Amino acid sequence: GQNIDQPTEMTATEGAIVQINCTYQTSGFNGLFWYQQHAGEAPTFLSYNVLDGLEEKGRFSSFLSRSKGYSYLLLKELQMKDSASYLCAVRDHQAGTALIFGKGTTLSVSS
Amino acid sequence: EAGVAQSPRYKIIEKRQSVAFWCNPISGHATLYWYQQILGQGPKLLIQFQNNGVVDDSQLPKDRFSAERLKGVDSTLKIQPAKLEDSAVYLCASSLDVRGYGYTFGSGTRLTVV
Repeated sequence: GQNIDQPTEMTATEGAIVQINCTYQTSGFNGLFWYQQHAGEAPTFLSYNVLDGLEEKGRFSSFLSRSKGYSYLLLKELQMKDSASYLCAVRDHQAGTALIFGKGTTLSVSS
Repeated sequence: EAGVAQSPRYKIIEKRQSVAFWCNPISGHATLYWYQQILGQGPKLLIQFQNNGVVDDSQLPKDRFSAERLKGVDSTLKIQPAKLEDSAVYLCASSLDVRGYGYTFGSGTRLTVV
């Protein structure tokens, strides 16, 4: 089976940097995804890692260590609009193409 | 390109009633997924279709939930009879091919069972 853990809540201030961690256990790892979900809206794709290392995309970066079963999402220059839930999801060979999601981390950005 | 369309956006029903949700995936997307997202949790996969065939329905409560994807395009998810614990957002997603490229979610249907 699969198990994905991430913190339930985090708070930060505008302009700061925040790192959201995700640990996972899966028997047939085939990629890790980060999604952003604003309240009442659909999840939107942020990043995808399948090899170890850092993927950077503007203010957002995602890191993966397959040997440690660990990923993080780094958000720089935080803005109020970054207040949302951040979902870590993994794809497992045994589950085909379906994504298995963690419970999400609710980030609150204050001024 | 148009996104994944879902309807209705909101639905309130009494327990033991029936309800159906509709999803129209992105044109050309062969794979379609239905997820259930309970408040405060991440989405949980209910069923996955590849064209009009079921790939995985291991987490679908088949005593009350059913889904179909006739002609390999639109899909409907039905609950009959509904229970209070079925209150959730039902998300539909689609992807381009078996590798999962272009995985995109619809806006979801928020179901409240009273």
